[in-house]
Amino acid sequence: GAVVSQHPSRVICKSGTSVKIECRSLDFQATTMFWYRQFPKQSLMLMATSNEGSKATYEQGVEKDKFLINHASLTLSTLTVTSAHPEDSSFYICSAQLASGRARTDTQYFGPGTRLTVL
Amino acid sequence: AQKITQTQPGMFVQEKEAVTLDCTYDTSDQSYGLFWYKQPSSGEMIFLIYQGSYDEQNATEGRYSLNFQKARKSANLVISASQLGDSAMYFCAMPGYGNKLVFGAGTILRVKS
Repeated sequence: GAVVSQHPSRVICKSGTSVKIECRSLDFQATTMFWYRQFPKQSLMLMATSNEGSKATYEQGVEKDKFLINHASLTLSTLTVTSAHPEDSSFYICSAQLASGRARTDTQYFGPGTRLTVL
Repeated sequence: AQKITQTQPGMFVQEKEAVTLDCTYDTSDQSYGLFWYKQPSSGEMIFLIYQGSYDEQNATEGRYSLNFQKARKSANLVISASQLGDSAMYFCAMPGYGNKLVFGAGTILRVKS
């Protein structure tokens, strides 16, 4: 149980195009999903918190107009990188929180990640 | 604010031996949890083990166990009988404000045959 999928796993696009990444919790409902960005050999950097039915909360320094997040249902959140540029090339990974009723101790389960390369 | 410190950038261990990955934390919360995740070269983050601050016993999950020392604010991960497939990056993490996970810098573990 607690499986999170992410699609696509790898995408290469031209500069100026938009890319949509989907994150799905397959066997549980997740009211909260998180989007991270990771550079090689570094830790995960939280970009935004996505709550079902409401606007995402972005971390300081993350452009909300560039990284559009939609959490349309309890099992799906999407991240759209708009007008992508080479500096947006990175590993993007989402997580979904399995609520156990213990609030701060709820486990986050991660998707397999999406490697974005912008040419 | 929560802070996680992993002081070992890289570790080597011989296959079949045990290895300890260090993690120290700082928090003002009385109740908190600590997580360990494994990230192989494929990139996915795999949840390994969880320790609650009020859990009476150290957490164990198969070959993984936590050496939780609350007074020292440390939650070291012990991997017993290392396997080649254990080679990966390992992250210690704890929830902060809004359930956002605060991660350590990670430790790269290499298992030698």
